[in-house]
Amino acid sequence: SQKIEQNSEALNIQEGKTATLTCNYTNYSPAYLQWYRQDPGRGPVFLLLIRENEKEKRKERLKVTFDTTLKQSLFHITASQPADSATYLCALSSGSARQLTFGSGTQLTVLP
Amino acid sequence: GAVVSQHPSRVICKSGTSVKIECRSLDFQATTMFWYRQFPKQSLMLMATSNEGSKATYEQGVEKDKFLINHASLTLSTLTVTSAHPEDSSFYICSASSDSFDYGYTFGSGTRLTVV
Repeated sequence: SQKIEQNSEALNIQEGKTATLTCNYTNYSPAYLQWYRQDPGRGPVFLLLIRENEKEKRKERLKVTFDTTLKQSLFHITASQPADSATYLCALSSGSARQLTFGSGTQLTVLP
Repeated sequence: GAVVSQHPSRVICKSGTSVKIECRSLDFQATTMFWYRQFPKQSLMLMATSNEGSKATYEQGVEKDKFLINHASLTLSTLTVTSAHPEDSSFYICSASSDSFDYGYTFGSGTRLTVV
């Protein structure tokens, strides 16, 4: 069955450092991989989308890589700030199906 | 940017009653809307996919008679939890997409349902 794993249920880093979150998947050939941020009691907020034929995507302090051979995506936040503290979710979808399948999330805490 | 409004944000109801949750796309036409359920410390689990003007497609294990979904227009989808029980207490979230998938999905702010 399809499985999405986000390594590290929780990650604590010092302000100013780069946070790296991992998303691994099995039994899946996603056409798109997305990253969302979720704050407590709120819905997810879209951050970045990367396609299967793209290796890397950047947006301001955020960078996503997508390795379809390793079946892995890495999500980086550079120059992290306490305001970046949240749960980060990766989500996959195939080309035909518009549904998203979410990973369990990584709770990031940036310490001042 | 795209905005999805979800109401109510919190609701407490008695066991056996029904609750309706609304999801509206405010500045775009949502051809497809999705309903998710999230338990504490867990990820979002897709319950159903609704397309405007047609019946919703439910995920395996989701009771369609219990979770009624109506997508009557391109801007409104509703989820009705019928005959609610304490085990239905959860965080329900909708999301909407237009035909363009390139910019991710827009999610509502969620509804915390507590059945007492």
